Amino acid sequence: EPEVTQTPSHQVTQMGQEVILRCVPISNHLYFYWYRQILGQKVEFLVSFYNNEISEKSEIFDDQFSVERPDGSNFTLKIRSTKLEDSAMYFCASSDPPGSQPQHFGDGTRLSIL
Amino acid sequence: AQSVSQHNHHVILSEAASLELGCNYSYGGTVNLFWYVQYPGQHLQLLLKYFSGDPLVKGIKGFEAEFIKSKFSFNLRKPSVQWSDTAEYFCAVNAGGATNKLIFGTGTLLAVQP
Repeated sequence: EPEVTQTPSHQVTQMGQEVILRCVPISNHLYFYWYRQILGQKVEFLVSFYNNEISEKSEIFDDQFSVERPDGSNFTLKIRSTKLEDSAMYFCASSDPPGSQPQHFGDGTRLSIL
Repeated sequence: AQSVSQHNHHVILSEAASLELGCNYSYGGTVNLFWYVQYPGQHLQLLLKYFSGDPLVKGIKGFEAEFIKSKFSFNLRKPSVQWSDTAEYFCAVNAGGATNKLIFGTGTLLAVQP
């Protein structure tokens, strides 16, 4: 079964540094998402992306965050200047067009900010 | 704002016991409903989904869920659990229409004792 893959599985970064989390969505999917889960809390939506632009974002997704599809296979989440509170598990997901969900999730990247 | 409540944070059962995990959502319009499972060290996997039609939905591994619109509920059930069902279970809602984002509950950690 096709999978969403994420790299790295664990990223440790100093506060204030930039970090890029990478995702390879399922190849024929057109919608891409990022979610995060702070330890002990619920999974929260960050952003959805379609047709090379953001289709929806949450209030968490402020100017420190950006997403990009740099080529035909990768989907990245960049955090420009990391804060301690950015420490979380970040999940990438992809789906067929809405109405034929569900979203398929990757294994996640555990981001630890020191 | 939409929200999802899962009433049981931690459930411990013996093998062969029956399982019911509660999920309630707050949203007045048409919704799509999902249960995802996360086995230890693995990614979120779809157990089952409800879009429309028969409110009793059957999923993988013997799980089922019933959508009761009047109660805004989508409880997950399994008649006889196995040790391998030990995992965290997440209820999620998508409001459909123009938004793709999933709103997750806090999750229920199920431990099945052999």
